[in-house]
Order: sequence, then C-alpha cells, then structure tokens
Amino acid sequence: TVMTQSPATLSVSPGEGATLSCRASQSVRSQLAWYQQRPGQTPRLLIYGASNRAAGIPARFSGSGSGTEFTLTISSLQSEDFAVYYCQHYNSWPLTFGGGTRVEIK
Amino acid sequence: QVQLQESGPGLVKPSETLSLTCAVSGYSISDNVCWVWIRQPPGKGLEWIGTVYHTKGVYYNPSLKSRLTISMDTSKNQFSLTLTSVTAADTAVYYCVRPVSSEHTFDVWGQGTMVTVSS
Repeated sequence: TVMTQSPATLSVSPGEGATLSCRASQSVRSQLAWYQQRPGQTPRLLIYGASNRAAGIPARFSGSGSGTEFTLTISSLQSEDFAVYYCQHYNSWPLTFGGGTRVEIK
Repeated sequence: QVQLQESGPGLVKPSETLSLTCAVSGYSISDNVCWVWIRQPPGKGLEWIGTVYHTKGVYYNPSLKSRLTISMDTSKNQFSLTLTSVTAADTAVYYCVRPVSSEHTFDVWGQGTMVTVSS
C-alpha cells in the first residue's frame, strides 16, 4: 500500500492552524498513525487508529479519516510544532510510511 | 524507564554484512509482543525494515527480505538485525523501536545509529 502525503511543504504562521493530508492507494480501514519528527530528533507517535492521540500528546493535534483519506489537524501551531510529519499504515504487511509533510514557519 | 540502545559499526564496506544490536533496559523484551527495526536515509523519510515476534516469527520488508535476518535473544534482553551484501543505498540511521499503542505503531524509539556504506 502506497501512502501519499500532501502538501510536501506547508508554510504556516505561529498560532494558525494546519491541515495535513495522507492518502492510501487502497483501503487501510482506520489502521493509520501519524508521527512528528523535529530536526535532529527521533520520530514521535502522535496519533494511532486514525484518531486516537498517543500518551502525552497535546489536544491541539487531532486525526480523522478512514479508508483511503486521512487528515492530521494542528489547531494552533506552537514553535515546537514546526517539524516533519509522517503518516504510516498498519493494515497489512508491509507497513509503509508516507513521504512526509514539512511544516515550516511562514 | 524503558530504554533502547542501538549498537554496531558506523562504517561498512560495500558487499559486506551489517550487524546491529538493540539492547533493551528497564523492561523485559519477553513482555512486549514484538520489536521493530526502522531506518531513515540521510535527508529522507522512514522505512520499516521488519518486526520480530516472540511467537509469530518475523515479518520483513519485501524489498530487503532476501538479505535480512532479525532475531531476538531473551537471555541478553536484546534483538538484532543482520543485512548482507550492503550497498550505498543501505546508508541510513537505523532505529530499534518498541510498539506500545498497538503492535504496529512505533511508540518508543532508540536514539538511532548512523551506518555508512562506503569503501
């Protein structure tokens, strides 16, 4: 299953919201996770099961979607949210990631 | 607190074999359903390498399967990766990971180890 993320880069002002998209080449039901990777850091799980926040993740991060179309929404960007975001499906083997969306400061 | 620490050679010659180990501390590897290896080439995205289970065997990325072996050693509380016939395309940061939220989501990451394939 090929995961396609859009846009590749998103320019956002601090305090504004951001919407990131992830599309699967075939249905992955709700078996979808989102990760954040800040520069020089390891990835961090944000969302699993398409809409469940992982432990310790702020409420400004939310996920939605099922089947082939998914969205990660960040309601009001903080300075620490400027990073690269990856989606990953886990509906079947092999597990695959999207190419990432870079959220940069506008 | 659970900690994962990758170890292995930072430099491997083309056509040789890469071996990495992930030492787990603060937690018994027998108590987690499975453990995972993921890699990230410099400046690029994430690639799932494989998942090793206690009882269900190992699942490999098909793109690497012919060259790859992942195993667990419960006596040493660690798991390992062996990749044969490496090329420059295998240059990456290699991460060992512990799934928690589900078997296939990656919650706890090691710091990663950079492996360069070069003569």
